[in-house]
Amino acid sequence: NAGVMQNPRHLVRRRGQEARLRCSPMKGHSHVYWYRQLPEEGLKFMVYLQKENIIDESGMPKERFSAEFPKEGPSILRIQQVVRGDSAAYFCASSPVGETQYFGPGTRLLVL
Amino acid sequence: GENVEQHPSTLSVQEGDSAVIKCTYSDSASNYFPWYKQELGKRPQLIIDIRSNVGEKKDQRIAVTLNKTAKHFSLHITETQPEDSAVYFCAASTYGTYKYIFGTGTRLKVLA
Repeated sequence: NAGVMQNPRHLVRRRGQEARLRCSPMKGHSHVYWYRQLPEEGLKFMVYLQKENIIDESGMPKERFSAEFPKEGPSILRIQQVVRGDSAAYFCASSPVGETQYFGPGTRLLVL
Repeated sequence: GENVEQHPSTLSVQEGDSAVIKCTYSDSASNYFPWYKQELGKRPQLIIDIRSNVGEKKDQRIAVTLNKTAKHFSLHITETQPEDSAVYFCAASTYGTYKYIFGTGTRLKVLA
């Protein structure tokens, strides 16, 4: 049973470009969560999704950030018009309903 | 809002000694408390968790205690080894919302 998969593992973007981060949950997991980790800091909740639904996006910036978890395919976190402050590690986690979250390896975004 | 405080931020112990990390949460509705270990550049990995209907849980050298009245929980690592060196994060979660609120992390260094 493969773990949570994320790609790309590293992503470099110039200011103003778009970043797309992908997350494939563990088999049998229908809940996906995205967290952001700034260098030397803890993980901050961004958004919680189930298939085709955003359940809680209270941690996601109102502008430039969006997330989806379509019926088929991975969950995607999209950052438009990236700025240097978006540079961070973005972790995805998945779980069955109400259970322990298992984390992916993260995508390290660097904005030049 | 919801908050989890974690102390200390850094901890150095001699190999074989015990290490204790403490967390305090603000939301009295929190009912699930996982602990994650994160090595440099790696994903957070669950090491132990506890639910609010239990006061203590142990798994080999690792134990977690929970005091619901005081709203704090602690991680205890006995007989520490150099491979225990990592950053440890506590988190709190509430049934129905499921997002994790993480502490700020403790960098544990086990000196050989």
